[in-house]
Amino acid sequence: SAVISQKPSRDICQRGTSLTIQCQVDSQVTMMFWYRQQPGQSLTLIATANQGSEATYESGFVIDKFPISRPNLTFSTLTVSNMSPEDSSIYLCSVVGLAGVNYGVEQFFGPGTRLTVL
Amino acid sequence: GQSLEQPSEVTAVEGAIVQINCTYQTSGFYGLSWYQQHDGGAPTFLSYNALDGLEETGRFSSFLSRSDSYGYLLLQELQMKDSASYFCAVCEDSSYKLIFGSGTRLLVRP
Repeated sequence: SAVISQKPSRDICQRGTSLTIQCQVDSQVTMMFWYRQQPGQSLTLIATANQGSEATYESGFVIDKFPISRPNLTFSTLTVSNMSPEDSSIYLCSVVGLAGVNYGVEQFFGPGTRLTVL
Repeated sequence: GQSLEQPSEVTAVEGAIVQINCTYQTSGFYGLSWYQQHDGGAPTFLSYNALDGLEETGRFSSFLSRSDSYGYLLLQELQMKDSASYFCAVCEDSSYKLIFGSGTRLLVRP
């Protein structure tokens, strides 16, 4: 399995500011994703983080609001820009396709970043 | 549109068997996965079905009927630690992106 860490684990931010969340994996992976989850709710996919190129965003999510970087096969960042209280949520990264695994059925999730916007 | 429907809550007693259903409507279908999530924790993978039939992994089994766009997770010999939220998720294509269901909160009582 993969060991995935996220920083920060939680933060309280002021409206209008930006926060960058980091996701680090202990081994190379094929795919990395970013999800959002309201407490007690389901997970919603924000985007696929593509290594060396622009992320692929899902409907309702745009690069200006959620810029994503993935400089290598083990690391990605998600920035939540110009935050509003509606952005308060848990943000999770997940990975698929560990090195040596032939197919990426299983997604491994990071511990999440709990964001509160005041 | 895309939708995955699950019951919102299920309650069962320790030692019993419980079935959590999932019906889906998606534009594509590669397979159906199940994830468990305890309060405050990250989702963890339980099972995956790409073909019709039953997959068994210890106390947990998962079933898929592609013709009915339906699957279920079966939990046997329930334990208190099984109290958690359970999500079905569809992989639509080779991108491995997941569309998650609304989630079922399972409460196991003594």
